[in-house]
Amino acid sequence: AQSVTQPDIHITVSEGASLELRCNYSYGATPYLFWYVQSPGQGLQLLLKYFSGDTLVQGIKGVEAEFQRSQSSFNLRKPSVHWSDAAEYFCAVGAEYGNKLVFGAGTILRVKS
Amino acid sequence: KAGVTQTPRYLIKTRGQQVTLSCSPISGHRSVSWYQQTPGQGLQFLFEYFSETQRNKGNFPGRFSGRQFSNSRSEMNVSTLELGDSALYLCASRLAATLVDTQYFGPGTRLTVL
Repeated sequence: AQSVTQPDIHITVSEGASLELRCNYSYGATPYLFWYVQSPGQGLQLLLKYFSGDTLVQGIKGVEAEFQRSQSSFNLRKPSVHWSDAAEYFCAVGAEYGNKLVFGAGTILRVKS
Repeated sequence: KAGVTQTPRYLIKTRGQQVTLSCSPISGHRSVSWYQQTPGQGLQFLFEYFSETQRNKGNFPGRFSGRQFSNSRSEMNVSTLELGDSALYLCASRLAATLVDTQYFGPGTRLTVL
């Protein structure tokens, strides 16, 4: 069965510093991979997705993610963090059977000024 | 285009009661999925409906049920509520029931069971 691991429950980054959020997945075939962000009291917003092709994917809000098959990873990066980026970030893999999303536990990002 | 709307946003119930949550998808979207979000279990898939048919169901007891209407609006029902059902229930819509279609999430309904 598909699974997603986000090793970091909390991350604190200074404003203006770079960010990398880790995501490892378990899936037999080429996965469909997603990153979502959830601000307090809000639903999830899609940041980017990967299905195939170029392994470096650009998303909204200035983020990018790199699919590395050899490491079963799909890490999210942002070169410079703003205070408004503080939120919870979820990595997800698409399960082909049933077309559902399997989410990681999430990483809470705190931004300090 | 209006986003996914969920009503009510907040709900307080007592154990043993039942509850119905509503979701209106983005216009033109025919697939609606429901997820439960709790601090302990995270985000878990409940079920998905497409063209009024349940396409897939997660690992939840039969107390959790849903349906979809001809206008794609969806409802989910939880009967005989338990304390552990307290959660944020998220609805998501997409054009069709395929992974290539982006799922758009609503703000959720916060259910508290006392």
